[in-house]
Amino acid sequence: AQSVTQLGSHVSVSEGALVLLRCNYSSSVPPYLFWYVQYPNQGLQLLLKYTSAATLVKGINGFEAEFKKSETSFHLTKPSAHMSDAAEYFCAVSDRNTGNQFYFGTGTSLTVIP
Amino acid sequence: DVKVTQSSRYLVKRTGEKVFLECVQDMDHENMFWYRQDPGLGLRLIYFSYDVKMKEKGDIPEGYSVSREKKERFSLILESASTNQTSMYLCASSRGRAGVETQYFGPGTRLLVL
Repeated sequence: AQSVTQLGSHVSVSEGALVLLRCNYSSSVPPYLFWYVQYPNQGLQLLLKYTSAATLVKGINGFEAEFKKSETSFHLTKPSAHMSDAAEYFCAVSDRNTGNQFYFGTGTSLTVIP
Repeated sequence: DVKVTQSSRYLVKRTGEKVFLECVQDMDHENMFWYRQDPGLGLRLIYFSYDVKMKEKGDIPEGYSVSREKKERFSLILESASTNQTSMYLCASSRGRAGVETQYFGPGTRLLVL
């Protein structure tokens, strides 16, 4: 089965600083990869996804992620944090072959310090 | 805009009660999912459905059942609620091949079992 690891359950950055949220997957075949964001008291919404096109994927709100097969990683970045980026972020994978289930990481809570 | 609605935002039930959580999507999506979200554990799949009257067990189906009589509606049933089922429950839907398509989430139902 697929699995995904998010390093760091809590990340704090200053407003205007670089945001880096880490995600590593375990699979011999590169899966489909997703980043979702959850704002307080809301459901999840898609930030971006990698499905086998360009390895650098751009998403909403200035976020992007790079698929690195050699490192089995799909880290999420944003050059300059904004207060409104404070939220919970989830990395998720699904298997290219079976494609029926998503496997979510445990989440990273991002705090932005003014 | 895709809309996924859940019948309640907050629910308080007693141990042993039968609990129904309802989810409705308005985009004619084939796939629907029920997750539970717990701190430090991320999202875990309970059940999913890829067609009317079809269902598949996820990672933690014990103590739950589901019903999908109409394409737009997917119900999660706790036959006899227990305190360890206190959690946030999230419904999601997607179209087509489940693994590659974006999942759209409802706002969640926070269930407290006393």
